[in-house]
Amino acid sequence: GENVEQHPSTLSVQEGDSAVIKCTYSDSASNYFPWYKQELGKGPQLIIDIRSNVGEKKDQRIAVTLNKTAKHFSLHITETQPEDSAVYFCAALKGNDYKLSFGAGTTVTVRA
Amino acid sequence: DVKVTQSSRYLVKRTGEKVFLECVQDMDHENMFWYRQDPGLGLRLIYFSYDVKMKEKGDIPEGYSVSREKKERFSLILESASTNQTSMYLCASLDGATNEKLFFGSGTQLSVL
Repeated sequence: GENVEQHPSTLSVQEGDSAVIKCTYSDSASNYFPWYKQELGKGPQLIIDIRSNVGEKKDQRIAVTLNKTAKHFSLHITETQPEDSAVYFCAALKGNDYKLSFGAGTTVTVRA
Repeated sequence: DVKVTQSSRYLVKRTGEKVFLECVQDMDHENMFWYRQDPGLGLRLIYFSYDVKMKEKGDIPEGYSVSREKKERFSLILESASTNQTSMYLCASLDGATNEKLFFGSGTQLSVL
């Protein structure tokens, strides 16, 4: 099955700085890569996703990049704010499957 | 907006008890999932259901069973709770339009003493 590795497990950044989380996947058949954000006391929520036919996608302060050859993808958060503090999960999905494979999660803390 | 509701936010049970975790979604989604969340291990799939009365094992089904008698409701059952089943349990529903986006409930923190 698919194996998704996520690094780092914790990340502390100063407000206004950038944060980067990296994930690798094992199955070259995976073609959809979402990122979920989990705030305290809530379930994970989709914040951005990317498909294998695209190399980069942006949505305001967040962006995701994908390198299919190296089988890795990254989440970039610029100008971090306190509300960015959360646990972030990357995931991968094969086209003919319904089951996402998740990374272990990254706890991001934005220091004021 | 899609709503996935888990019946309990916190639950404390004793070893050996039978435990039911309930989940309801309001968007007529066919696919529903139960995940377990543990620190450092991410989200691990326990079971999923792709239709009423249809179920399939995920990556860690041992010690669990599920029930899907109605489309909107997906229940996770711990037949005989054990301390190693202390965890956060998350229910999710899959957007049928894309078959990609998951909608999660807020989770049930289960403690087995």
